[in-house]
Amino acid sequence: EDKVVQSPLSLVVHEGDTVTLNCSYEVTNFRSLLWYKQEKKAPTFLFMLTSSGIEKKSGRLSSILDKKELSSILNITATQTGDSAIYLCAAYNQGGKLIFGQGTELSVKP
Amino acid sequence: GAGVSQSPSNKVTEKGKDVELRCDPISGHTALYWYRQSLGQGLEFLIYFQGNSAPDKSGLPSDRFSAERTGGSVSTLTIQRTQQEDSAVYLCASSPRGVETYEQYFGPGTRLTVT
Repeated sequence: EDKVVQSPLSLVVHEGDTVTLNCSYEVTNFRSLLWYKQEKKAPTFLFMLTSSGIEKKSGRLSSILDKKELSSILNITATQTGDSAIYLCAAYNQGGKLIFGQGTELSVKP
Repeated sequence: GAGVSQSPSNKVTEKGKDVELRCDPISGHTALYWYRQSLGQGLEFLIYFQGNSAPDKSGLPSDRFSAERTGGSVSTLTIQRTQQEDSAVYLCASSPRGVETYEQYFGPGTRLTVT
């Protein structure tokens, strides 16, 4: 059965810290991996990764995919209270089905 | 209003009643997805539409759940004879095509509470 596992499930840091969120996947005919940020209800898109070893960056956020290890990480540098959210990782299988992990709840304290 | 919209935003219903949830995708998006998110959990896939057809209904938890999409646009998710375990946030997403190279854009969700 396809599955995506995230770790840690929750994390508390202070403003200015750097965090690394982990995602591992076991997905039939893996196609791509996506990261989303969920603050209230609607998840908002962060990154889509299809190629191994190529870092994607947006401001203080960056992500990279390791197809050999079947994993991805999401890094956030110089964290701010506005980064507090649930971060969701998801992987597409060949059939176009997006399999989500359980999420990492990040809390950034002032 | 270019985003995905969902209605109602909140629904409280009594156990055993039927409910209907609506999703209006981004104009021109042919693929539409329904997910369920229980408290503290990730998103659980329910059903996917490509146009008006549903190639993948594998996530529907029971035959009390059904969904349709007409005109390649609006979709409704119907839950019959609701049970307390149906309480969750139901999220809808759309993407330009139903392939794995597009991100999905999510609506704000419908919070369903079954009492």
